[in-house]
Amino acid sequence: DVKVTQSSRYLVKRTGEKVFLECVQDMDHENMFWYRQDPGLGLRLIYFSYDVKMKEKGDIPEGYSVSREKKERFSLILESASTNQTSMYLCASRKTGGANTEAFFGQGTRLTVV
Amino acid sequence: GNSVTQMEGPVTLSEEAFLTINCTYTATGYPSLFWYVQYPGEGLQLLLKATKADDKGSNKGFEATYRKETTSFHLEKGSVQVSDSAVYFCALSGRDQAGTALIFGKGTTLSVSS
Repeated sequence: DVKVTQSSRYLVKRTGEKVFLECVQDMDHENMFWYRQDPGLGLRLIYFSYDVKMKEKGDIPEGYSVSREKKERFSLILESASTNQTSMYLCASRKTGGANTEAFFGQGTRLTVV
Repeated sequence: GNSVTQMEGPVTLSEEAFLTINCTYTATGYPSLFWYVQYPGEGLQLLLKATKADDKGSNKGFEATYRKETTSFHLEKGSVQVSDSAVYFCALSGRDQAGTALIFGKGTTLSVSS
């Protein structure tokens, strides 16, 4: 059974903390993505990576960075957490091979910044 | 740029009612189109997809037809069940670059009562 695993389901962090969200996939996919999900806004792309050590900004990269040192792992970093980063964060992976390939999602991390 | 617009929710139906969730898109070229579903407390999972004009995707009683002339991909089900209560996302994937992320609509919440 294919899997994208996010390290935490729920996190509570304080304003100003550095926060790491981890994502691991076991499908040997080249591409990995971080989205945030907010009511009424749907899914918005934060960053994506198409290869190890490669990264591209998505639509809302401000306040975030990413790391991809190994193919199976993609980390999202909140450099200094703020309350407006309270959200659901979804990681996804996808094989390179054309526009019809499916993206697989983790179960999400609900982050609350207080 | 590429974008997806889906009907606003929430949609509230009684069991066995007919469901339509509208989705239209803007894209250059010939994108692939997807419907994803998110059940409460879970990540997104692929419901169905279509990769070229006039293709019909289907799964679990849901159907959607890729209509290039109207740039639409409406989701339909003839008889909904309580277990179909979820958030539904329409998405597209362009063909223009490696590692392209899926672009999502804002989601439509469906609530089915018995």
